[in-house]
Amino acid sequence: TQLLEQSPQFLSIQEGENLTVYCNSSSVFSSLQWYRQEPGEGPVLLVTVVTGGEVKKLKRLTFQFGDARKDSSLHITAAQPGDTGLYLCAGAPGSGSARQLTFGSGTQLTVLP
Amino acid sequence: DAGVIQSPRHEVTEMGQEVTLRCKPISGHDYLFWYRQTMMRGLELLIYFNNNVPIDDSGMPEDRFSAKMPNASFSTLKIQPSEPRDSAVYFCASSTQTVNYGYTFGSGTRLTVV
Repeated sequence: TQLLEQSPQFLSIQEGENLTVYCNSSSVFSSLQWYRQEPGEGPVLLVTVVTGGEVKKLKRLTFQFGDARKDSSLHITAAQPGDTGLYLCAGAPGSGSARQLTFGSGTQLTVLP
Repeated sequence: DAGVIQSPRHEVTEMGQEVTLRCKPISGHDYLFWYRQTMMRGLELLIYFNNNVPIDDSGMPEDRFSAKMPNASFSTLKIQPSEPRDSAVYFCASSTQTVNYGYTFGSGTRLTVV
């Protein structure tokens, strides 16, 4: 079973601060995705990273896939209250035809105005 | 497209009753997933279908849970009989064969069994 551990579990910061969320595993993934979930809604896909070492930027969010494709990070610059939510990483299997993603336990981010 | 549609949004039922959750995936998506989310265990995959065929149901907790996908546009998750420990938010998600496409989740059904 492939497991994804996210840290920190909870994060509360002031508006304007920077933060980094981590997603780690001992398994290799063919790709890794980040989702954000707001209260009362399902997770929404933010980005997919595929290549080891890949960096993607989405406005103030920067996503990186580890060189060995076992870990990833999400960095938010100048956080805003609208960034509040549960951030989930999810890995696609490194081999085989299995289609299901493995989800991490999530990081609950609260950005205070 | 209206996205993945789940119904009902909220369900409160008494222990022992049958509960049926419904899902309409995005048209053209050939994978459908049922997840359960709780504070303690996070998102747990219950079962997933490919082209309406169940592929992996190893996450279904007990025989009280069953899922069907009679056609490409409809799936149900049934719990019979329901128990208080089944209380959770149940999500349906759909996707395509493209491995990096990601999942589109519905808004979920919040189930409370009293």
